[in-house]
Amino acid sequence: DTGVSQDPRHKITKRGQNVTFRCDPISEHNRLYWYRQTLGQGPEFLTYFQNEAQLEKSRLLSDRFSAERPKGSFSTLEIQRTEQGDSAMYLCASSLRSAGKTLNTGELFFGEGSRLTVL
Amino acid sequence: AQSVTQLGSHVSVSEGALVLLRCNYSSSVPPYLFWYVQYPNQGLQLLLKYTTGATLVKGINGFEAEFKKSETSFHLTKPSAHMSDAAEYFCAVSVPFGNEKLTFGTGTRLTIIP
Repeated sequence: DTGVSQDPRHKITKRGQNVTFRCDPISEHNRLYWYRQTLGQGPEFLTYFQNEAQLEKSRLLSDRFSAERPKGSFSTLEIQRTEQGDSAMYLCASSLRSAGKTLNTGELFFGEGSRLTVL
Repeated sequence: AQSVTQLGSHVSVSEGALVLLRCNYSSSVPPYLFWYVQYPNQGLQLLLKYTTGATLVKGINGFEAEFKKSETSFHLTKPSAHMSDAAEYFCAVSVPFGNEKLTFGTGTRLTIIP
């Protein structure tokens, strides 16, 4: 399967612990996005990478959150000192930026998500 | 900045009846518009998208949507509901320039009554 994959799918942790999620985008995609989705809400943008560069961060991304994409392939999202309010589905998506094109393709490909429960 | 409003957080229709899910958007530039479907504990699956060209777009599973610039709307319809259509539906907007960042609505949960 060559879609976006996320790991783990489910994580239960105690308040105060650190957690890390991994996202493997579609192999040729150079753009990667993280979203957070809380119960009953639509996904909210967290951050965006083009290759290894983190180009945009939402105000939602507090200093307890850090995202990396060290080699421009997979990405990790770490949450330090988790709080109950961090309980959510964390979604990863990827897209392909074609060189020389002014307009983007408009399409994101989403993974299945990583569900975090903080007790 | 862009925003999306989905009218009706819950919609119930009988099996075989018309499905209509409403979406209005706000955008300072001509938008790209999307409908995604989400089944429980799963990611988002693209139903259809409007970028340019024909304003009536057809998607998977018999769904379609019409971009109406004058009404700033992109409502999703399906002529005949099926039990398998029960899910959460999200309308989203992005812009043609820069990255593909999506701004989502709060979603509409569709229930199909047998």
